[in-house]
Order: sequence, then C-alpha cells, then structure tokens
Amino acid sequence: GNSVTQMEGPVTLSEEAFLTINCTYTATGYPSLFWYVQYPGEGLQLLLKATKADDKGSNKGFEATYRKETTSFHLEKGSVQVSDSAVYFCALGSSGSARQLTFGSGTQLTVLP
Amino acid sequence: DGGITQSPKYLFRKEGQNVTLSCEQNLNHDAMYWYRQDPGQGLRLIYYSQIVNDFQKGDIAEGYSVSREKKESFPLTVTSAQKNPTAFYLCATSTPGLSTDTQYFGPGTRLTVL
Repeated sequence: GNSVTQMEGPVTLSEEAFLTINCTYTATGYPSLFWYVQYPGEGLQLLLKATKADDKGSNKGFEATYRKETTSFHLEKGSVQVSDSAVYFCALGSSGSARQLTFGSGTQLTVLP
Repeated sequence: DGGITQSPKYLFRKEGQNVTLSCEQNLNHDAMYWYRQDPGQGLRLIYYSQIVNDFQKGDIAEGYSVSREKKESFPLTVTSAQKNPTAFYLCATSTPGLSTDTQYFGPGTRLTVL
C-alpha cells in the first residue's frame, strides 16, 4: 500500500537558516504529492503540490521537487522566519478512485529569532 | 466567505456519551473526509464521502458513524464504542480534478472525553 516517511523532528533553526525536511514515499501508479502546514491549534493549510515527476511546487519561499527516481519530495526554504514555526506534513494522493491522502507523521519546525 | 466550518472548536463530553461533530462547507465540493489527529502523529482517515447519500470507511472507522444527507454537511458521531476518543478531529473537502484532488481542511474540533 501507499506510505509516506518524513524526517523526524523536532527541527530547531535560527532565523535566516536554510531548511530541508525530507520526505520519501512508496506508492503504486503516479500519485500526486503535497506539503501541508499546520499552525498551533489550527487545521492544515496546503503549502504546495506537484502532480507529476520533475514538477516543482513552490509557495511563500518554500519549494519541493517531485523526484520519481528517488521517490522523494523534500521541502526546502532558503531563509526561514520565526513565522514559519509550525508542523509540516508530507502527503501522497492516491491515483485510484478512492482519492485518499496518505500523510507522513509530521515534522515540528521551530525557528528562533 | 467560502470555506469549511467545524463547530465547536472545543468539545467536552463524559465517558459513555455519544457526541456529534459538525462539518459544513460552501465550496460546492463533492467529496468530504474526516480525519483524526493524535499528538505527534499524522492524520488517520476515519470516513469519507464522495457523493451525497454514500460514504466509505477509512482506516479507523470503528466506534464512529457518519451521514451525508446534504452536499454541504458531513457530521461525524463519536460513539461510546470508540475506546479512546480524545483527539483533534479534522474535516476536509475536495473536488475531483484532472490529475489531483487537493484536500482543503477546516479548523478542527478538539474533543476531550472526561
């Protein structure tokens, strides 16, 4: 079945540091890949997505590239801010009729001023 | 304002009582989902519905029930059969696309069973 493995946290960085959160997946077919962000006490917000191999999703300075050869979708940001502190979830979208999402366990990011 | 509404934000119930969590959307999305989130864990799918009057069990449906009588509404009932109901519950919606079905999430309801 489908599965998503995320880099374990928590991750603590200083402001303006470079961020990488690793995400690898196992899936059949051609899934879509997503990064969601969750701020404390809130629901999830879509951060970016990619629908096919070599696609790059980007939003708010965050980027991730769909790498089919390494089954990865790592999240990166060149210079993090305190306001980026949140939990980040990598997710895989089923290409079948069920249209379900499979989530990683989440990575807590704390950015210190 | 288009969006997904979950109410209430915080809910307290005594052990052994059934409780219903509300999820309403005005996005005109066909599909709706319920997830459970426990501390330090990812989301687990409870139930989903792709069309009115139809729904399917997710990975952890035991102790939960749903209905989908209207496109806009997908209430979740946590029954007394659910052994460990204290959790953060998230509702999501999506609409079928050509190649991807992005899900959009509500603000969540935190249920605490005393």
